[in-house]
Amino acid sequence: VHLIQSGAEVKKPGASVTVSCKVTGYTLTEVSLHWVRQAPTKGLEWMGGLDADEGETVYAQKFQDRVTTSEDTSTDTAYMHLSSLRSEDTAVYYCALNWGVPGVFDIWGQGTTVTVSS
Amino acid sequence: DIQMTQSPSTLSASVGDRVTITCRASQSISNWLAWYQQKPGKAPKVLIYRASSLESGVPSRFSGGGSGTEFTLTISSLQPDDFATYSCQQYNSYPWTFGQGTKVDIK
Repeated sequence: VHLIQSGAEVKKPGASVTVSCKVTGYTLTEVSLHWVRQAPTKGLEWMGGLDADEGETVYAQKFQDRVTTSEDTSTDTAYMHLSSLRSEDTAVYYCALNWGVPGVFDIWGQGTTVTVSS
Repeated sequence: DIQMTQSPSTLSASVGDRVTITCRASQSISNWLAWYQQKPGKAPKVLIYRASSLESGVPSRFSGGGSGTEFTLTISSLQPDDFATYSCQQYNSYPWTFGQGTKVDIK
């Protein structure tokens, strides 16, 4: 299974961005996909994803008001939409799978750089 | 939220050295801890899960230990390919959280 993400984005403050993540090798309905970001020189930050046990999407409270995830099962592509962008949202955004062990990210996309700048 | 604190932030070492990185959780997470290695411009790669289980394909010089609130990642004999940043992650409860990372560089 592989994850292929969309290309880099440059956005102005207040705008929105959508990052896509295509699953290959398996179908989107067979995997537990999450979103993790990393700001420059900072640590990794989990944003949200599918709780496989509960069958529902969970988000970090920090992002709950601004992030929406969706899926297109016909193309096995997941989307992460982040609104009301600010400079602090400048980061590399990754999609990642809990493949072997729930809670552990063992398969990652290549990352999508989102730059927020006026 | 559970805070994960790693020490040190940077570690300078030589090839062949034994290296240990510590990760502390702000509350007990049992053994629901993973370790990742990340190189510049690349996605992280999981090394250890459930605190001490070695991910398939990861060299045996990597080992993890601990439970509750204190955990370690040890590299028994540092190799040139091991110079990277290492991060811990708890998956005991939402939101899943990561440590700030420990950069291992060449002494």
